[in-house]
Amino acid sequence: DQQVKQNSPSLSVQEGRISILNCDYTNSMFDYFLWYKKYPAEGPTFLISISSIKDKNEDGRFTVFLNKSAKHLSLHIVPSQPGDSAVYFCAASLLTGNQFYFGTGTSLTVIP
Amino acid sequence: DAGVIQSPRHEVTEMGQEVTLRCKPISGHDYLFWYRQTMMRGLELLIYFNNNVPIDDSGMPEDRFSAKMPNASFSTLKIQPSEPRDSAVYFCASSTQTSGRSSYNEQFFGPGTRLTVL
Repeated sequence: DQQVKQNSPSLSVQEGRISILNCDYTNSMFDYFLWYKKYPAEGPTFLISISSIKDKNEDGRFTVFLNKSAKHLSLHIVPSQPGDSAVYFCAASLLTGNQFYFGTGTSLTVIP
Repeated sequence: DAGVIQSPRHEVTEMGQEVTLRCKPISGHDYLFWYRQTMMRGLELLIYFNNNVPIDDSGMPEDRFSAKMPNASFSTLKIQPSEPRDSAVYFCASSTQTSGRSSYNEQFFGPGTRLTVL
């Protein structure tokens, strides 16, 4: 059963605008969340993370928001650039675990 | 460091054949993970090792799948016999534990092996 869900398989955004990628989870015991970015023919690479004790974490153009009551997190990219075109995976981990639970990914296309 | 190395990058085989995927983790990393990527399920964890010992293999889909880590620098994922539904991209990732919990630490992924079973 998919515990981490990304319901939008794809997203297209104009260069310079904001990209918002969404992720929902079902397990209330998840306490650490991550976003990974994947280019074609490459492995995923870590982008940004957030602990459940926070509701926001920023790193340059990338901001992750966490809404624990809604079991929802989102990744904002501002401004979006063509080089951001990739597949973005949301992941979560349990306090008692060593593994990540990944979503199905959202393919972002930034149009020049 | 060369990063996580996987071989082969592409594998095409016929149903019923044995397939072996290989992984060399980053030197010094004590966790190794095998994932499978499909459109329907995204990145699924198949099995992970800590200090060469399998810790959780609950994601291994069937007895046809097996994984070994004979030493700290090498791991294999074997499918025998292979079936068309095994077609996917298989990733190996490694990480190390520096803060009391390995999942706080970034997992470094290899480039993946694209497996096609005809």
